Amino acid sequence: GENVEQHPSTLSVQEGDSAVIKCTYSDSASNYFPWYKQELGKRPQLIIDIRSNVGEKKDQRIAVTLNKTAKHFSLHITETQPEDSAVYFCAAFSRGSQGNLIFGKGTKLSVKP
Amino acid sequence: GAVVSQHPSWVICKSGTSVKIECRSLDFQATTMFWYRQFPKQSLMLMATSNEGSKATYEQGVEKDKFLINHASLTLSTLTVTSAHPEDSSFYICSAGPTSGRGAVGELFFGEGSRLTVL
Repeated sequence: GENVEQHPSTLSVQEGDSAVIKCTYSDSASNYFPWYKQELGKRPQLIIDIRSNVGEKKDQRIAVTLNKTAKHFSLHITETQPEDSAVYFCAAFSRGSQGNLIFGKGTKLSVKP
Repeated sequence: GAVVSQHPSWVICKSGTSVKIECRSLDFQATTMFWYRQFPKQSLMLMATSNEGSKATYEQGVEKDKFLINHASLTLSTLTVTSAHPEDSSFYICSAGPTSGRGAVGELFFGEGSRLTVL
């Protein structure tokens, strides 16, 4: 089945700097890769996603890149703000599980003012 | 976006009792819903896939007799933690999407989560 690795587990940046979180996946048939942001005690919220027919997608300060050959995808947050502080999870769509997402272990991002 | 509602948000129960958690899709039909457990500072771990009108599919290591799942309609799935013990204390979250389980890939929406504390 699919396996998703996420790095780093913690990331601390100064306000205004960029943050990059990287994930790798194992199943070459996976074709959907969302990123979720989860604040403490709350539900995960989708912030951006990318499908396998696209190499990059941007939404204001957030971008995701996908390298299908290397089977890795990354989240880029520019001009970070304190409210970006949260845990971020990458995920990959697992064909073998009726549409389930396999999640990475998460990255705790801290943006210092 | 689509809305998934989960109830209750918080529940405290005595050891040995059973607790039921509901997950509802409010504005779409979900043939498949997913149940996760999340321990503090950890990721979302899939417990089981709930299928409308049929048996749930459990992940390896998850006891089906302890975590009973019922998907009685296209908008409701329930998770019952039977004979709860302190080690079952956790944050339980469900998710679903308009296309989940239908062979298509699409966004999954999460419920608010239910924090279970077993005394």
